[in-house]
Amino acid sequence: AQSVTQLDSHVSVSEGTPVLLRCNYSSSYSPSLFWYVQHPNKGLQLLLKYTSAATLVKGINGFEAEFKKSETSFHLTKPSAHMSDAAEYFCVVSDRGNSGYSTLTFGKGTMLLVSP
Amino acid sequence: NAGVTQTPKFQVLKTGQSMTLQCAQDMNHNSMYWYRQDPGMGLRLIYYSASEGTTDKGEVPNGYNVSRLNKREFSLRLESAAPSQTSVYFCASTNSGFYEQYFGPGTRLTVT
Repeated sequence: AQSVTQLDSHVSVSEGTPVLLRCNYSSSYSPSLFWYVQHPNKGLQLLLKYTSAATLVKGINGFEAEFKKSETSFHLTKPSAHMSDAAEYFCVVSDRGNSGYSTLTFGKGTMLLVSP
Repeated sequence: NAGVTQTPKFQVLKTGQSMTLQCAQDMNHNSMYWYRQDPGMGLRLIYYSASEGTTDKGEVPNGYNVSRLNKREFSLRLESAAPSQTSVYFCASTNSGFYEQYFGPGTRLTVT
């Protein structure tokens, strides 16, 4: 069975400072990992994904994440926060089952607050 | 190319009423999913359809039924709504072998 733990329910940063959102996972198979972002009253948008290629993954809006198998982590970072980054972020693991289809398991989310 | 669309956007029901949430995708994806989102819980899978003609239960299927009408459409039905079903419902789709899912805008449902 797969699971995801987002270590912080809320993270507060000042505009222009670095962002770090932490995620640990467990998976029985070789996992695919994703970060999704949800702005208030909006749907979910894919930020980036890891699917067993390069361990450092770059996404949209300057975000990146590093897959560390030894630590079972997939932390999301950004060098400099912008006010528009304020949103809820979800770390997600996908089970690469043998059936050829996937189910996603979501973390509980981290709310990123950005102050001027 | 609209992606994943959901109707309605908002709905208020009384306890015991029934309704169907509609979802359609125009990306020719094989697999479709229904999730519910509750504060502090992330998204939880209700039902999914790996391919046309198949449906399977997810983590929280009780009180719901689904129909995969064709490759494009996947509906979620609440036969007798309960206040515990107050939530935001998201539909998603993906192509087999590609694991990221594409989400619709959501339906905000309130059951009083």
